[in-house]
Amino acid sequence: DQQVKQNSPSLSVQEGRISILNCDYTNSMFDYFLWYKKYPAEGPTFLISISSIKDKNEDGRFTVFLNKSAKHLSLHIVPSQPGDSAVYFCAASEGTSGTYKYIFGTGTRLKVLA
Amino acid sequence: DSGVTQTPKHLITATGQRVTLRCSPRSGDLSVYWYQQSLDQGLQFLIQYYNGEERAKGNILERFSAQQFPDLHSELNLSSLELGDSALYFCASSVGVGRWETQYFGPGTRLLVL
Repeated sequence: DQQVKQNSPSLSVQEGRISILNCDYTNSMFDYFLWYKKYPAEGPTFLISISSIKDKNEDGRFTVFLNKSAKHLSLHIVPSQPGDSAVYFCAASEGTSGTYKYIFGTGTRLKVLA
Repeated sequence: DSGVTQTPKHLITATGQRVTLRCSPRSGDLSVYWYQQSLDQGLQFLIQYYNGEERAKGNILERFSAQQFPDLHSELNLSSLELGDSALYFCASSVGVGRWETQYFGPGTRLLVL
C-alpha cells in the first residue's frame, strides 16, 4: 500500500518555464513533508520541506505547496533550468519525540529541455 | 559530495549468502539512516540509529540487521539473501533526530543477488 504516491513517472518542461511536480498521500498522521532531488549515481539531496501547519514554503526558485484537505503537495520550480533535470522524490514523515519514520514516493523524472 | 561514505559501491553475491554494507556518516553527525531502493520503487526507510542506539524502525526484514558503532559508523547486515533483495542501499546521516534535520545521503551500495 503506497502511502505516498507520485503518479507521474516523468515530466518534460522547456527551459525557463514552470515545472510542477505532484505528490499525494493517504496517511493523515503525516505532518512533515520533504522533497529530494537525485542525480544518476548519486544519493538523494534534500531540496525543501514543509510542516503541516503551513501551506507554502519558498526557497529561491523552489516552492512547495501543501493542501492538507486534499492530502496533496506540489513542488514548483520557476524558472526551470537544464541542471534541474533529475529524479524528484516526495517524502512524508510521521512520529513523535525524535522517533520518526519516513515514507518516500517512487519519484518523478524531470527533464528540462534547453 | 555529501560527506557520507558507503562501501562497497557494488556487491554481487548469491542467494542464501550474507553481506555487510558499511556507512561512515558526515563528521559530527550522530544519526544514521538506512534505506533500500528496489527497481522502480521509492526509497524504503529501513532503520535509524542515533549515537549507537536504535531510534526508529521501518520496513526492515527480520533477515536484515544493523548497528552503529562507538565511532558512529554503521553497518547493515543482510542474510539469507534472496533475489528480491537486489537493490540500491542508501545510508544517510544527520546531526540529530529532529524531523527538520537535513539528511545527507551517501552514493549508495548496489547489491545484486544472483
